[in-house]
Amino acid sequence: QVQLVQSGPEVRTPGASVKVSCKTSGYSFTKYGISWVRQAPGQGLEWMGWISGDSGNIEYARRFQGRVTMTTDTSTNTVYMELRSLKSDDMATYYCARASGFDLWGRGTRVTVSS
Amino acid sequence: SYVLTQSSSVSVAPGRTARITCGGNKIGDKTVNWFQQKPGQAPVLVVYDETDRPSGIPERFSGSNSGNTATLAISRVEVGDEADYYCQVWDSSSDEWVFGGGTKLTVL
Repeated sequence: QVQLVQSGPEVRTPGASVKVSCKTSGYSFTKYGISWVRQAPGQGLEWMGWISGDSGNIEYARRFQGRVTMTTDTSTNTVYMELRSLKSDDMATYYCARASGFDLWGRGTRVTVSS
Repeated sequence: SYVLTQSSSVSVAPGRTARITCGGNKIGDKTVNWFQQKPGQAPVLVVYDETDRPSGIPERFSGSNSGNTATLAISRVEVGDEADYYCQVWDSSSDEWVFGGGTKLTVL
């Protein structure tokens, strides 16, 4: 079954880091990249960046550069997104989506940032 | 950076056609994707490359794009079409994907 399964909800304090995973299945992992998109409560969608399946290409949105790292693990067909120095406005649901036209999405991972 | 502008809400009666617009500078020169998002769910691609539909998406969903406005049309609207709709383009000047702010479709 073609799907993206994301890790569970996270709670962090301001200044901490969070690492969200996105396990892929049902298709050739190295053939497609993964984009990360976040959505703050009641707000719209925001693209954070993408990574190719073989990690050969990585692009981060300008506003996240220096604070985000995307990696892959080809042994488990999993993509990771780590966001550092968390602030209250990083509280959001983080989605992974197959980069081939965003045709497949994970269910999202809620990240709460609170002291 | 490139900005996409969507009206915050659109209302339509069942069976009529809903038109959701996405404005951007010379957006007609770009390729537009459209997503549907229902409450508590992940977005779903409904139109890609301006006019194509993924498998499983009804023919009632169609897209067009010209000048400074792209449009998602939903014909014979059903209650189940109630959702937020987002447009998206690739901004080659910044090498980033850009989303519109979203339009809430209400079926009266």
